[in-house]
Amino acid sequence: SQQGEEDPQALSIQEGENATMNCSYKTSINNLQWYRQNSGRGLVHLILIRSNEREKHSGRLRVTLDTSKKSSSLLITASRAADTASYFCATDQAGTALIFGKGTTLSVSS
Amino acid sequence: KAGVTQTPRYLIKTRGQQVTLSCSPISGHRSVSWYQQTPGQGLQFLFEYFSETQRNKGNFPGRFSGRQFSNSRSEMNVSTLELGDSALYLCASSLAGGGGQYEQYFGPGTRLTVT
Repeated sequence: SQQGEEDPQALSIQEGENATMNCSYKTSINNLQWYRQNSGRGLVHLILIRSNEREKHSGRLRVTLDTSKKSSSLLITASRAADTASYFCATDQAGTALIFGKGTTLSVSS
Repeated sequence: KAGVTQTPRYLIKTRGQQVTLSCSPISGHRSVSWYQQTPGQGLQFLFEYFSETQRNKGNFPGRFSGRQFSNSRSEMNVSTLELGDSALYLCASSLAGGGGQYEQYFGPGTRLTVT
């Protein structure tokens, strides 16, 4: 069953713009992770944020976590064409399996 | 360090056959998880192995099985293939087990087509 749900399902922006994707989940979590997948290939880990953290940065990526609202957001600043990919949030529930959402497809045009 | 490798990369099988997929984790990683990805259902967890023991299992029929060897390499097997088993099968390794406590490193996947 899906735990996380990304919003929007698809996003199209121009190079240089910021992209924001949101993830909502249903039950309490230990941590939340974001992954990127390029065109049917394997997933690449982007950021892991633990339930006691509110914000985390990695290069042009900024992730926030609001456990009271059971939601997270991923912000990509100054997007590039190479950022075109699908982005997934994944949640961990008490050490069980990592559960993925259905993803947001980001398209960055030059 | 070499990344996660999966073999074969592409596979075409006929309904009713069985298939075995292989995954070699990153050196030193003891946890291997398997996922099925389809356009309709998205990424679904199959099972996780840690130190040769299955730790978690997803909601898949018994036709899907797996194992892990002492060198952490893992195989998954699907018996009596159905058309709906056509999917990208992804393997991921992490340093320790316990589901999503740690970042997972994914292989490129095996694209299985059942005809």
